[in-house]
Amino acid sequence: GQQLNQSPQSMFIQEGEDVSMNCTSSSIFNTWLWYKQEPGEGPVLLIALYKAGELTSNGRLTAQFGITRKDSFLNISASIPSDVGIYFCAGQNYGGSQGNLIFGKGTKLSVKP
Amino acid sequence: NAGVTQTPKFQVLKTGQSMTLQCAQDMNHEYMSWYRQDPGMGLRLIHYSVGAGITDQGEVPNGYNVSRSTTEDFPLRLLSAAPSQTSVYFCASSNRLASLGELFFGEGSRLTVL
Repeated sequence: GQQLNQSPQSMFIQEGEDVSMNCTSSSIFNTWLWYKQEPGEGPVLLIALYKAGELTSNGRLTAQFGITRKDSFLNISASIPSDVGIYFCAGQNYGGSQGNLIFGKGTKLSVKP
Repeated sequence: NAGVTQTPKFQVLKTGQSMTLQCAQDMNHEYMSWYRQDPGMGLRLIHYSVGAGITDQGEVPNGYNVSRSTTEDFPLRLLSAAPSQTSVYFCASSNRLASLGELFFGEGSRLTVL
């Protein structure tokens, strides 16, 4: 079946640094989404992307839908301690139900004050 | 606004016991689903529902049953618990008028099977 390769698996950064993570697939997706999960909580949607090449920002977060439709990137600028958590990418194809939503294995972000 | 509510938050079972994880949403969402989260495995879909009376299997359905008698509720039943079902379980919902991938998650139910 379809799989998403999310990298890096974990990151340890200093407060104020910029962060980049990505998600790749051998299959094409029509929608890419990025979620954040804080410790002890459920994931929360950060950004949704619906068009190849689309670049969308949400505060200090910027995500891009790759032009090949097989990848997506998430950048966090000027990281702060509350950015700590696990970031998941997810890809989805048209015409299906939630059964067509595939999650990456996550990037665990740690921020040192 | 409660959103997606899961109960219980924590549960310990013995092998062979059965139990039901409850999930309720108050957003009138048509779509609901159950995921399990294991270290290093991300989120894996167990079962999902596109509306009352309709359910389907996800990636890892074995050992679990679901039903959807109302729009609001989507319980997950473990028929005979096994240690391999030790995990954190998340219920999620979405609105068919938006993208089905725009999920609202509950806070999770942490299950330990001894």
